Amino acid sequence: EPEVTQTPSHQVTQMGQEVILRCVPISNHLYFYWYRQILGQKVEFLVSFYNNEISEKSEIFDDQFSVERPDGSNFTLKIRSTKLEDSAMYFCASKTSGRPWGQETQYFGPGTRLLVL
Amino acid sequence: DQQVKQNSPSLSVQEGRISILNCDYTNSMFDYFLWYKKYPAEGPTFLISISSIKDKNEDGRFTVFLNKSAKHLSLHIVPSQPGDSAVYFCAAIVTGGGNKLTFGTGTQLKVEL
Repeated sequence: EPEVTQTPSHQVTQMGQEVILRCVPISNHLYFYWYRQILGQKVEFLVSFYNNEISEKSEIFDDQFSVERPDGSNFTLKIRSTKLEDSAMYFCASKTSGRPWGQETQYFGPGTRLLVL
Repeated sequence: DQQVKQNSPSLSVQEGRISILNCDYTNSMFDYFLWYKKYPAEGPTFLISISSIKDKNEDGRFTVFLNKSAKHLSLHIVPSQPGDSAVYFCAAIVTGGGNKLTFGTGTQLKVEL
């Protein structure tokens, strides 16, 4: 069964360093998402991406964050200058087209645990 | 901004009995709802969903009920199995835009032998 994959599974970085989190969405999916979950909190939306552009972003997704689909398979999240509060699990998700009804399900990858020291 | 709430942080049931997980929402624009199951250090796994044009959807042991007037949905698991022990999140979407998921805080289900 097709699945979303993410690399690395764990990343430790120093505050102020840049990190790139990578995702390979399910191959025929068209919508891509990043979410994060800080320890003990709920899963929060960061950004959605469709047709090679951001379709929606949250307040969390400030200028330090960027996303890219550099080729036909990868979807990346870059944090330019990490802060301590960026420590969280980052989940990539993808879904197929928006219609007909029933195509709204987003499928999640296993996550990247980011620790900023 | 708690648009989706799961008021029970934990639930414990015996194997073979029914598990009922509840979720409330405040945003009347939500028109699609999903339940995800999550194990520690893994990503959320999709379980079942329901459109706002329906009030019930069933898939094997899992049934989701939607009460739009009360802005309430519930997930029933019958019969509960030890492998069902996990955190369950409800999530809601306003379809037609970026379709971001708004998650609840989760309910830790423990199914005991």
